[in-house]
Amino acid sequence: KNEVEQSPQNLTAQEGEFITINCSYSVGISALHWLQQHPGGGIVSLFMLSSGKKKHGRLIATINIQEKHSSLHITASHPRDSAVYICAVGQGGSEKLVFGKGTKLTVNP
Amino acid sequence: NAGVTQTPKFRILKIGQSMTLQCTQDMNHNYMYWYRQDPGMGLKLIYYSVGAGITDKGEVPNGYNVSRSTTEDFPLRLELAAPSQTSVYFCASSYSLNSPLHFGNGTRLTVT
Repeated sequence: KNEVEQSPQNLTAQEGEFITINCSYSVGISALHWLQQHPGGGIVSLFMLSSGKKKHGRLIATINIQEKHSSLHITASHPRDSAVYICAVGQGGSEKLVFGKGTKLTVNP
Repeated sequence: NAGVTQTPKFRILKIGQSMTLQCTQDMNHNYMYWYRQDPGMGLKLIYYSVGAGITDKGEVPNGYNVSRSTTEDFPLRLELAAPSQTSVYFCASSYSLNSPLHFGNGTRLTVT
């Protein structure tokens, strides 16, 4: 079993819909990262968080340390949000991140 | 700032050939990483470095070597390329252990 599980694997939405992508992990962590990989392949860091909630524009990331769960929300989704969203966790004291397999989001106009 | 620059973008190798993937960053980051991404799989760590002169193995180091002679550069060397090394390779850097990651644009390598 992968230490980092993302759901769903694939998600199709209509423009304007509210999107939620989930990430569950099984190890104690020091930080959790949300990354976005565009269809062209480039990877961009969206958030890094260890507690609570962060917001950037239409994107919101939350984490519940007790439940070992994080969510990435996209409000008013747009076709340009179509990408693969990757969750990665950093284990306490380790330089090695563990990555989920990603959630492929397609937003149709 | 250019960020993290990887070269080449694409490469085709024959079995047994060798090559070096270049990675340089201009953000004065201490931490640098090499990952590979196989279809349908999460990123796997090949090697990492926490500073100039210091390197360490990740999850999948076999068949690869690295060096970190300067803060800016972290090349990845493939010796005796094998079809199993066909993948997309990403270099990344961060200022510290729990800082945001900055990724290069990736190198798509095919070994035939």
